Amino acid sequence: DAGVTQSPTHLIKTRGQHVTLRCSPISGHKSVSWYQQVLGQGPQFIFQYYEKEERGRGNFPDRFSARQFPNYSSELNVNALLLGDSALYLCASSRDRGHYEQYFGPGTRLTVT
Amino acid sequence: EDQVTQSPEALRLQEGESSSLNCSYTVSGLRGLFWYRQDPGKGPEFLFTLYSAGEEKEKERLKATLTKKESFLHITAPKPEDSATYLCAVTDTGRRALTFGSGTRLQVQP
Repeated sequence: DAGVTQSPTHLIKTRGQHVTLRCSPISGHKSVSWYQQVLGQGPQFIFQYYEKEERGRGNFPDRFSARQFPNYSSELNVNALLLGDSALYLCASSRDRGHYEQYFGPGTRLTVT
Repeated sequence: EDQVTQSPEALRLQEGESSSLNCSYTVSGLRGLFWYRQDPGKGPEFLFTLYSAGEEKEKERLKATLTKKESFLHITAPKPEDSATYLCAVTDTGRRALTFGSGTRLQVQP
């Protein structure tokens, strides 16, 4: 089975621009979570979606939003980019609400200049 | 608020030199403790889940243990390919998001 896939792999944006990151979960997994990882730190939770509904939100500003589609894939959107948004954005999938093990994709490296 | 602290921040071992990584946690109702391995520029790779104090899991040269306050990742006779950052995370009964520590960067020299 294919693992979690993310696109694009790398992205360079300018301050003030908008970005959309995409994620496809492992086949059969219905829950998707997004994390931000800055260099030297562990991943920080941004959002969790299950059955197309937001089930959890971390301490991130409203510039960050996400959604989940009927096929369980997901998008993370970030508006009005700041230099501090430069990070590795990770998507993780889990089977359903009763399973806590999350499997991560390779990430999208976002650089804001 | 859940908190996870990992030590040491970095560890350098000689090939074959066994050691342990520590993960201390504070959580209101532990639902699970997770260990991941992360190679530079890549996503974390799932290793173990531990659910209750006293539980142990093993995989090749790695063994994870759990107490009520901390978890250890024991590495026996490590090889250079074990070099990576090892991340510890917890989730509590109230939510399903993972709270991560900052990781331990392990370097195993031949």
